[in-house]
Amino acid sequence: DAGITQSPRHKVTETGTPVTLRCHQTENHRYMYWYRQDPGHGLRLIHYSYGVKDTDKGEVSDGYSVSRSKTEDFLLTLESATSSQTSVYFCAIRDRTGTYEQYFGPGTRLTVT
Amino acid sequence: TQLLEQSPQFLSIQEGENLTVYCNSSSVFSSLQWYRQEPGEGPVLLVTVVTGGEVKKLKRLTFQFGDARKDSSLHITAAQPGDTGLYLCAGAGWDAGNMLTFGGGTRLMVKP
Repeated sequence: DAGITQSPRHKVTETGTPVTLRCHQTENHRYMYWYRQDPGHGLRLIHYSYGVKDTDKGEVSDGYSVSRSKTEDFLLTLESATSSQTSVYFCAIRDRTGTYEQYFGPGTRLTVT
Repeated sequence: TQLLEQSPQFLSIQEGENLTVYCNSSSVFSSLQWYRQEPGEGPVLLVTVVTGGEVKKLKRLTFQFGDARKDSSLHITAAQPGDTGLYLCAGAGWDAGNMLTFGGGTRLMVKP
């Protein structure tokens, strides 16, 4: 199994509060991704990183920001959580090879009340 | 925007039956992957297909990449309860940079 952990695994927060989710890898992979998974929508890319301090937006980036100050850590921040951000969030990693295979963490279930 | 459509969305079968899941697009992909996801866990990579017409086998699972690299199928022979889960296909486009496009998934339940 790829060495990816996510924390916290579960979180309940109130509307308007900031929330930060952490993804940590031990594989030294260059690429890291944040997805959200919702019924009827599958996996949708929020943001991704292609190196330390190098990030780009995905298809559903509004309301989210990311940071990557070290190769092993990729943080996803909800500046002011809304109920529409209730979801399961997955982090994934990929190495530099050309087949785009991604390896996923166990997920964080976030509930915004 | 590249889209991947999976069918069927839901499938409930008895142990021992065969099934096929389809993943279709109007876009051409450089490679396509299949993942399986169990409740409460992240998706796990099953296979990557790269060449048009390629067929890969993983025990009772057979994966095929379409000749035109726009579609793929997953066939399971003699399904078992342990095959239950959400099956996701994901394609890497030629101009998609570092991103994958995921299909909506097929939720399979195999009853004993």
